[in-house]
Amino acid sequence: SQQGEEDPQALSIQEGENATMNCSYKTSINNLQWYRQNSGRGLVHLILIRSNEREKHSGRLRVTLDTSKKSSSLLITASRAADTASYFCATLDTGRRALTFGSGTRLQVQP
Amino acid sequence: EAEVAQSPRYKITEKSQAVAFWCDPISGHATLYWYRQILGQGPELLVQFQDESVVDDSQLPKDRFSAERLKGVDSTLKIQPAELGDSAMYLCASSLASGQTSPLHFGNGTRLTVT
Repeated sequence: SQQGEEDPQALSIQEGENATMNCSYKTSINNLQWYRQNSGRGLVHLILIRSNEREKHSGRLRVTLDTSKKSSSLLITASRAADTASYFCATLDTGRRALTFGSGTRLQVQP
Repeated sequence: EAEVAQSPRYKITEKSQAVAFWCDPISGHATLYWYRQILGQGPELLVQFQDESVVDDSQLPKDRFSAERLKGVDSTLKIQPAELGDSAMYLCASSLASGQTSPLHFGNGTRLTVT
């Protein structure tokens, strides 16, 4: 079963705009990770945020985590056409040893 | 950068036939995962190995699916007999260690179509 639910399911923006994706989860977690998947390819790890962290940056990516609301957001700033992909949040639930993935947000960046 | 290798890239089979997928993880990665991804959804864990031992196969349909990692390196996932509902992308991933802070490295998957 899938733990996280991303919102929105699909997002279309113009190049240069910012893209924000949200993830909600249900149980206690050790960490939350975001992955990217280009069409027909495997997933690529983007960033990991621990349960005791509130915000993390990596290049044009900014991730926030609110454990009281069981939610996370991924912000991509100054988007590029090459950012077009599906983005998934994944949680490592307390007591589990494998990641549980959400249903993903499909991002389309128009050039 | 080292990659997770999977083969075949695509597989078309008729229902009731047997099919097998192969995965070679990144060298030194003790943990190996098989995930299934239905089009438009996120990956769902089928089985997790730590070295050659199965850690979690609670979501593996054991009446038709089997997985092995005999020498703790490469792995094979088998389906026998295949059913129409098995059509999906089968993704292999590996990590240095299970849980905690080890990110997963994915292969490009095997796209299975059952006719």
